[in-house]
Amino acid sequence: GAVVSQHPSRVICKSGTSVKIECRSLDFQATTMFWYRQFPKQSLMLMATSNEGSKATYEQGVEKDKFLINHASLTLSTLTVTSAHPEDSSFYICSATGQGSSYEQYFGPGTRLTVT
Amino acid sequence: LAKTTQPISMDSYEGQEVNITCSHNNIATNDYITWYQQFPSQGPRFIIQGYKTKVTNEVASLFIPADRKSSTLSLPRVSLSDTAVYYCLGIPSGAGSYQLTFGKGTKLSVIP
Repeated sequence: GAVVSQHPSRVICKSGTSVKIECRSLDFQATTMFWYRQFPKQSLMLMATSNEGSKATYEQGVEKDKFLINHASLTLSTLTVTSAHPEDSSFYICSATGQGSSYEQYFGPGTRLTVT
Repeated sequence: LAKTTQPISMDSYEGQEVNITCSHNNIATNDYITWYQQFPSQGPRFIIQGYKTKVTNEVASLFIPADRKSSTLSLPRVSLSDTAVYYCLGIPSGAGSYQLTFGKGTKLSVIP
């Protein structure tokens, strides 16, 4: 099946700094990528949807100025957490779907962000 | 997307068959019932999808009654490595770009 990678897998940053998470589709072109956040023992919550070459669409309650999403190519989307705070510590997961896909989204392995 | 209801958790011994039922009373006509598996600190992984009756693959079987108001994921002879959270979702056909709404899922614990 299609492979989606994320980098880094784990990151620790200090409060007030920014951190960038990359999501790549390795063997297909991803027209749409999704970003999810998952707190411990909770389900995945959709944060935003990004289509290549256009602005991301954010879910209600997600600050677009804090979580910057860039989908500049068909194989790469980035999520930048700006001015991170401890409450932003979470597991961030991306998923991607390719051209002509019917139902399946391919998920990345996730990035564990810890803000100290 | 259809709202789904699953048991919060289940325990099973190794080697047993596990059936996880999901209720989706308001599933839309063009929704496919899809199951994902998630291990701790990993992204979800697609397991199986179906529309009606029974679907089987190398990992699991999916049973969907004629009214489609529920579905049952069947895992034959589970092992410790099947310990994970299992999510049931209704996804419209031809909607690869559709946003997925995950419920709470069912945490399956396989006991030696």
